[in-house]
Amino acid sequence: NAGVTQTPKFRVLKTGQSMTLLCAQDMNHEYMYWYRQDPGMGLRLIHYSVGEGTTAKGEVPDGYNVSRLKKQNFLLGLESAAPSQTSVYFCASSYELANYNEQFFGPGTRLTVL
Amino acid sequence: DQQVKQNSPSLSVQEGRISILNCDYTNSMFDYFLWYKKYPAEGPTFLISISSIKDKNEDGRFTVFLNKSAKHLSLHIVPSQPGDSAVYFCAAKISTNAGKSTFGDGTTLTVKP
Repeated sequence: NAGVTQTPKFRVLKTGQSMTLLCAQDMNHEYMYWYRQDPGMGLRLIHYSVGEGTTAKGEVPDGYNVSRLKKQNFLLGLESAAPSQTSVYFCASSYELANYNEQFFGPGTRLTVL
Repeated sequence: DQQVKQNSPSLSVQEGRISILNCDYTNSMFDYFLWYKKYPAEGPTFLISISSIKDKNEDGRFTVFLNKSAKHLSLHIVPSQPGDSAVYFCAAKISTNAGKSTFGDGTTLTVKP
């Protein structure tokens, strides 16, 4: 099993450009999450999904959109990138009975917005 | 207002000694707590967890203690090994809240040979 994979690993954007980050998991998990991590800070939840076709806002959703068209994939979109979105982005997934389960994380995508 | 705090950004210990990482929380609704370990250029990986109905959970060299009245938990690593050098994140959940976790800022542990 590959676990949680993220594409791409690195990306440099110019202000105003758009891009989509792809997260895929092969563990048949119901729940998926997108976080960002800034230097010296913990992970902050951007958006999450409790199942195929459903998404919800997290702690810092502004400037991002998400889609969960297939159970195994969770896409994070930046419509008009800003320098403040320079960060490392982590995707995670967990079992449906997630209340007492841990999250499994991908390796991260390092995004720089110039 | 940060609901999960790790007040020590870094900790350095000698190999073989005990490492103690601390975490405080403010939201009394949190009822499940986890520790994750993160190496550079990798995603966090789950280490150990504890439910609010317990005050201790042990897994090999790792033990987590929970003091609900003080809203404080700690992770003990005994004995510490150089391979334990990483960033450790404390996380807290409300069990009825879609599995969402709130993370602390992390503590960088360095174990010196």
